[in-house]
Amino acid sequence: SQTIHQWPATLVQPVGSPLSLECTVEGTSNPNLYWYRQAAGRGLQLLFYSVGIGQISSEVPQNLSASRPQDRQFILSSKKLLLSDSGFYLCAWSQARPPYEQYFGPGTRLTVT
Amino acid sequence: SQQGEEDPQALSIQEGENATMNCSYKTSINNLQWYRQNSGRGLVHLILIRSNEREKHSGRLRVTLDTSKKSSSLLITASRAADTASYFCATNFGNEKLTFGTGTRLTIIP
Repeated sequence: SQTIHQWPATLVQPVGSPLSLECTVEGTSNPNLYWYRQAAGRGLQLLFYSVGIGQISSEVPQNLSASRPQDRQFILSSKKLLLSDSGFYLCAWSQARPPYEQYFGPGTRLTVT
Repeated sequence: SQQGEEDPQALSIQEGENATMNCSYKTSINNLQWYRQNSGRGLVHLILIRSNEREKHSGRLRVTLDTSKKSSSLLITASRAADTASYFCATNFGNEKLTFGTGTRLTIIP
């Protein structure tokens, strides 16, 4: 069966510090991968998605970036965090064909202080 | 925005009652999906309905889709305390992405 991992689970970082969140998927190959951010009590905002190694689509211009160095690894990064980067970050995967049901990791709670 | 919107934003019912939440969207879809999120956790896929389907069932869940009104409803029958969560609809327009709504926060009162 497929499993998706995210780490760390929680993170407290000062403004201006770098960020690296990692997501890995097991049990499937060539998945689509997604990064979302969820503000408290709100819906999901799609940040990036990837349909293959090195292929990244950005949905929201901001100081975040994403990379996919391996088929089942997706990394969310920032060189300098802003207060507004605080939130709940979720990674998800789907099969690379319709209907694109998504399966989510446990999330990372990021607090920028 | 193509974002779906759930209604109501929050719903509290007694255990054993049925819970109904609605989702509206703005443009033609390929499919619509419902997800559940327990507090502080990731989302869990519940059920998917395709644009050519009108109703689907899965256990205590019943989903309907009215493409002429661009709306869907999720019915949870015989609610349990464990159903307390936020519920999101997500629309797929035929590409790799889903557009999530703002969610309905459901509280089941024991």
